[in-house]
Amino acid sequence: QQPVQSPQAVILREGEDAVINCSSSKALYSVHWYRQKHGEAPVFLMILLKGGEQKGHEKISASFNEKKQQSSLYLTASQLSYSGTYFCGTSYNQGGKLIFGQGTELSVKP
Amino acid sequence: GAVVSQHPSWVICKSGTSVKIECRSLDFQATTMFWYRQFPKQSLMLMATSNEGSKATYEQGVEKDKFLINHASLTLSTLTVTSAHPEDSSFYICSARAGPAGLVTGELFFGEGSRLTVL
Repeated sequence: QQPVQSPQAVILREGEDAVINCSSSKALYSVHWYRQKHGEAPVFLMILLKGGEQKGHEKISASFNEKKQQSSLYLTASQLSYSGTYFCGTSYNQGGKLIFGQGTELSVKP
Repeated sequence: GAVVSQHPSWVICKSGTSVKIECRSLDFQATTMFWYRQFPKQSLMLMATSNEGSKATYEQGVEKDKFLINHASLTLSTLTVTSAHPEDSSFYICSARAGPAGLVTGELFFGEGSRLTVL
């Protein structure tokens, strides 16, 4: 039931864009996105509920395609502070537990 | 945003001893708390779900007698690693969900994590 993230790792130059995908084999109720720096707890980015919505947060946005059971996280004009491991977490029903993908390691270089 | 406090941040113990980790929601009532474990460079693996006043629900493969979870109040859940061994060394993170709004969105608030090292 663990969602699958791709790519596993990506290296960017400052100012470049990136897309991280999260796919599920089961119908999703919600998708959560987190960023984790080494040795720290995950930091919440955003939640998307089923309904095909898209959300934005400064230069980070995400979409949720209910039909395809997948979500994508878009990072535009990346900054050095965007470096970290990005996790998507998925739940399959309201009030359900959150299962995390294997993570995508993002490195932004100057 | 809501704050979840975890204590201790790190702990070193000898093999065979027990360690207790506390997870507190500071400014909201957490109807449900989740405990995750994370090994280096790996994902967060859900260990168990605890609801206030009831027994925790453990994920497959997690030994409930080894990882004792108690959710005694709406603001406190504890994880006790009993008879710890070096292979239990890991980063343990709790998260809490505020109800009833949290039940709809599923939003989780994470603690800072506790790094356990068993010698």
